[in-house]
Amino acid sequence: ELVMTQSPATLSVSPGDRVTLSCRASQSVGSNLAWYQQRPGQAPRLLIYAASTRATGIPARFSGSGSGTDFTLTISSLQSEDFAVYYCQLYNNWSWTFGQGTKVEIK
Amino acid sequence: QVQLVQSGAEVKKPGASVKVSCKASGYMFTIYYIHWVRQAPGQGLDWMGLISPRSGSTTYAQKFQGRVTMTMDTSTSTVYMELNNLRSEDTGVYYCARVIYGDYAFDYWGQGTLVTVSS
Repeated sequence: ELVMTQSPATLSVSPGDRVTLSCRASQSVGSNLAWYQQRPGQAPRLLIYAASTRATGIPARFSGSGSGTDFTLTISSLQSEDFAVYYCQLYNNWSWTFGQGTKVEIK
Repeated sequence: QVQLVQSGAEVKKPGASVKVSCKASGYMFTIYYIHWVRQAPGQGLDWMGLISPRSGSTTYAQKFQGRVTMTMDTSTSTVYMELNNLRSEDTGVYYCARVIYGDYAFDYWGQGTLVTVSS
């Protein structure tokens, strides 16, 4: 069974900070990884797909990297609207798995 | 514009079934797989399965196998998710989502349907 681990669970940061979130898979998934942002009371929003491709309309301060088992989402300069929960999601062999989420909160 | 509009909130008793609909518009319905994702209160996202609107074929997550059925109606561009034998742990928001063209990520999501299971 494919297991994914997202870290940290919570990140306390200030506006303007550079933020790095991590997602690790128990086996290689190539580049089949996506990142989502979820604000309270809203549906998730696709940020990054194929590990590093920004979705339509996503600001350039969001970037994704990695392949195989280790992936990173970076927010270069955190804006007030970026305080939210972030999920990674991987695809492997007709199964999709979400990470546990990282809550980015105001310090 | 692409939209996925889901049916309204439901309250069900344990052991009952619930059927949630997801009506698609703004794109060619049969081209994109539709997935269902559950989110328990205060918890993360849990993938439930998918349906191909072109063929009607389905794939379900092992966790929901035997209790979930996904169907579609191409005449109304609507996908349905039915969950049987409900228990309190099934309480949560259920989302439908469309797969982005050429990849596996979900680019458009429904607004979510709250299902509450309570005696």
